Amino acid sequence: QITLKESGPTLVKPTQTLTLTCTFSGFSLSTNGEGVGWIRQPPGKALEWLSLIYWDNDKRYRASLKSRLTITKDTSKNQVVLTMTNMDPADTATYYCAHNTDFDYWGQGTLVTVSS
Amino acid sequence: QSVLTQPPSASGTPGQRVTISCSGSSSNIAITTVNWYQQLPGTAPKLLVYSNNQRSSGVPDRFSASKSGTSASLAISDLQFDDEAQYSCAAWDDSLDGWVFGGGTKLTVL
Repeated sequence: QITLKESGPTLVKPTQTLTLTCTFSGFSLSTNGEGVGWIRQPPGKALEWLSLIYWDNDKRYRASLKSRLTITKDTSKNQVVLTMTNMDPADTATYYCAHNTDFDYWGQGTLVTVSS
Repeated sequence: QSVLTQPPSASGTPGQRVTISCSGSSSNIAITTVNWYQQLPGTAPKLLVYSNNQRSSGVPDRFSASKSGTSASLAISDLQFDDEAQYSCAAWDDSLDGWVFGGGTKLTVL
């Protein structure tokens, strides 16, 4: 059974760096074909894809946020970490991690508020 | 503004059939497969349909989807109160080299 769970701060100040961790079970990111993605959803708004990392360490980023995002994986810990620099109130959203390129399993999400 | 265009709302009464559209372009829907997600209030999205028309495990056959050209659609027949949710389409975009989502359609069962 595949499960994912996001963790990280619930409140960050403008200009700070956000670090979110996705801890998963039921699959391994060292297995051919596997991947983990990050998607966010501002309150009352649409889903927005942020980043994806594959088993072979191939990484993809949302073009408009590429300069601010970094995704890494720790295969031994079954974790994927997303960092986003220079946080702004417009980045307030629920951040989800999801399994694979179809996003067939999702974490419960974590609400991150950006405010001074 | 989302790359994939969906109507913001849809509605129907129990037992009815409703269809939700998703319009894209030559860089996404036309050349890749479409997924549909259902998001019940206050919960994470759930994969409903993948690869244009394949229902995810446990999804009833009341849900069906199709794709033609640069557009896709999700149909829900025999509408039930439990179907009240936000439905979002998604596809890979070759030009953007990333996933794009629709703006979501809030389905109300009257």
